[in-house]
Amino acid sequence: EAQVTQNPRYLITVTGKKLTVTCSQNMNHEYMSWYRQDPGLGLRQIYYSMNVEVTDKGDVPEGYKVSRKEKRNFPLILESPSPNQTSLYFCASSLRGGLAGNTGELFFGEGSRLTVL
Amino acid sequence: RKEVEQDPGPFNVPEGATVAFNCTYSNSASQSFFWYRQDCRKEPKLLMSVYSSGNEDGRFTAQLNRASQYISLLIRDSKLSDSATYLCVVFSGGYNKLIFGAGTRLAVHP
Repeated sequence: EAQVTQNPRYLITVTGKKLTVTCSQNMNHEYMSWYRQDPGLGLRQIYYSMNVEVTDKGDVPEGYKVSRKEKRNFPLILESPSPNQTSLYFCASSLRGGLAGNTGELFFGEGSRLTVL
Repeated sequence: RKEVEQDPGPFNVPEGATVAFNCTYSNSASQSFFWYRQDCRKEPKLLMSVYSSGNEDGRFTAQLNRASQYISLLIRDSKLSDSATYLCVVFSGGYNKLIFGAGTRLAVHP
């Protein structure tokens, strides 16, 4: 089954304790992206990757890191989480990114609800 | 000003009603437009693309007005299962990415 898988789905942690949210897709997609969703603000892009070893900042990259060593995986790293990073996080992928490949269809993972105390 | 703006709702309508949502976007160079649906606590999923000439998919009709920079979604004969949040999404060539509105919540009641 074609899917985007995120883990963990739920996490409560404390300020400063490094954590990683994993994301994996099995559709051989080139483009992957991380979003956070907060009430009233919609989905905001954190980082995206056009392909392996190609990553770039989105709208709200502060406090986050990513890597794209393999096509299927795109982990999101919070080196020192703070309470303002409490949010619902979505990983998404599409066949290609940018104007050339954009059909508007992003495939989303089920989301990871993170609480930082 | 937000790049993509939507009325947050909620729109509370009875089954069988027709309901319309509007969405405005600020970047006149925006190139592609979409509606996504997001059920409570779930991931967003593409509902339909919006074409310049307008398009229909069953009970759903999407329209684009480039001159006024707005997009609309019309749902006819609402079903209970249509209850969800509807996200307006714009592809901005200038920023080379999809930009999401905050969503309009629809609640269909018996």
